[in-house]
Amino acid sequence: DQQVKQNSPSLSVQEGRISILNCDYTNSMFDYFLWYKKYPAEGPTFLISISSIKDKNEDGRFTVFLNKSAKHLSLHIVPSQPGDSAVYFCAASASDQGGKLIFGQGTELSVKP
Amino acid sequence: KAGVTQTPRYLIKTRGQQVTLSCSPISGHRSVSWYQQTPGQGLQFLFEYFSETQRNKGNFPGRFSGRQFSNSRSEMNVSTLELGDSALYLCASSLMPSGGNQPQHFGDGTRLSIL
Repeated sequence: DQQVKQNSPSLSVQEGRISILNCDYTNSMFDYFLWYKKYPAEGPTFLISISSIKDKNEDGRFTVFLNKSAKHLSLHIVPSQPGDSAVYFCAASASDQGGKLIFGQGTELSVKP
Repeated sequence: KAGVTQTPRYLIKTRGQQVTLSCSPISGHRSVSWYQQTPGQGLQFLFEYFSETQRNKGNFPGRFSGRQFSNSRSEMNVSTLELGDSALYLCASSLMPSGGNQPQHFGDGTRLSIL
C-alpha cells in the first residue's frame, strides 16, 4: 500500500522554464510534507516543506503547493537550471503516527541547456 | 556547520555475517532516524531514536536493530545478513523528534553489498 505516490518517473524541462513535480497521497492524517533533492552517490538534501495548515510555501525559486481536498502537492521550480537535474522525492508524515517520513518513489528531473 | 556523517561509505559482506553502521548527527540534533533505500522498494523507514530511546520502528525483521548514545550518535546493526539486505542505508537527524514538523537532514549513506 503506497501512501505517497509520484506517478511520473521522469521529467525533462528546458533551462529557464518552469518545472512542476507532482505528488499524491492517500493518508488523510499526514500533516507535514517535504521535498528532497538527491544526486547520485549523495544523500537526499532537504529543499522545502509545508504544514497542512498552509496551502503554499515559497523559498526562492522553489514553491510547494498543497491541495488537501485532492490529497495532492506539487513543487514548482522557476526558473529551472541545469544544476537542478536530480531525483526529487516528496515525503509526508503524520504527527500522531510517530512522524516517520513516508517517501514517494521519486521523479528524475532533467533540465536541458 | 558539519552535516550528518555516516561511516563507512561502502561495505561488502557475505551472507550470514553481521554489520554495524554508524551515524553522527548534526551538532545539536537529538533525533536520529534510519532509512533503507533499494531500487524496488524506494526509501523505507527503519527506526528512530531520541534521547537514547527508540521512538518508532518500521516494518523490518528483528535482525535490524539500533541504538543511540548519550552524545546522540547512533548505530544500526543487521545480523544474519541476506542478499536482500543489499541497499543504501541512510541516516537522518533533526532537532526534535519527528512529528514536530521539523525537517530531517540526511547523510550520504552507507552502501552495503551482500555477496
